[in-house]
Amino acid sequence: DIQMTQSPSSLSASVGDRVTITCRASQSISSYLNWYQQKPGKAPKLLIYAASSLQSGVPSRFSGSGSGTDFTLTISSLQPEDFATYYCQQSYSTPVTFGQGTRLEIK
Amino acid sequence: QVQLVQSGAEVKKPGASVKVSCKASGYTFTGYYMHWVRQAPGQGLEWMGRINPNSGGTNYAQKFQGRVTMTRDTSISTAYMELSRLRSDDTAVYYCARVSAVTTLYYYYYMDVWGKGTTVTVSS
Repeated sequence: DIQMTQSPSSLSASVGDRVTITCRASQSISSYLNWYQQKPGKAPKLLIYAASSLQSGVPSRFSGSGSGTDFTLTISSLQPEDFATYYCQQSYSTPVTFGQGTRLEIK
Repeated sequence: QVQLVQSGAEVKKPGASVKVSCKASGYTFTGYYMHWVRQAPGQGLEWMGRINPNSGGTNYAQKFQGRVTMTRDTSISTAYMELSRLRSDDTAVYYCARVSAVTTLYYYYYMDVWGKGTTVTVSS
């Protein structure tokens, strides 16, 4: 199975900050990497697919980059509604695997 | 609009089985794979498996092999996930998620529509 490791596990930031979350795969997954946002008590929401493609309706302050084993999710200017948990997920091979999550909190 | 409506919360005793349903609307049910993902309290997301609603073909995570069965009824656009021999650590929210894909040079797929989740509690 491909292991996905996110860092940091948690992060405190302020509104307006630029934030970067990283995700590392245990083997090369090309660009088969998706990012999701999850708020408490809600289902995950797709933000980015294929490493860098923005899902329709997602604000442009979200961006993704990377390929191979190292990926990043960047929020250019944090908004109050962005405080949530973020997960990366690989779709290179089954079983599909997720990172452990990064909890983004208000400083 | 495209949506997935899941069945209601369940409370089960250890050793019992649970069957969760996921009714699709707003799109062609047989045109998209359906995946099932669960989340234990305070934990991350765990993939359980997937079903091709067109063929009924399934792939399950090794962890759940022998205990999970994913089926579908195309006449009512509904997917099902049944988990047997329940244990306390199966207590979780179970999500169904539709999978879409883009095919450029490669086939990239992602979970773009999610149900709201079904809480399954296993307790004696």
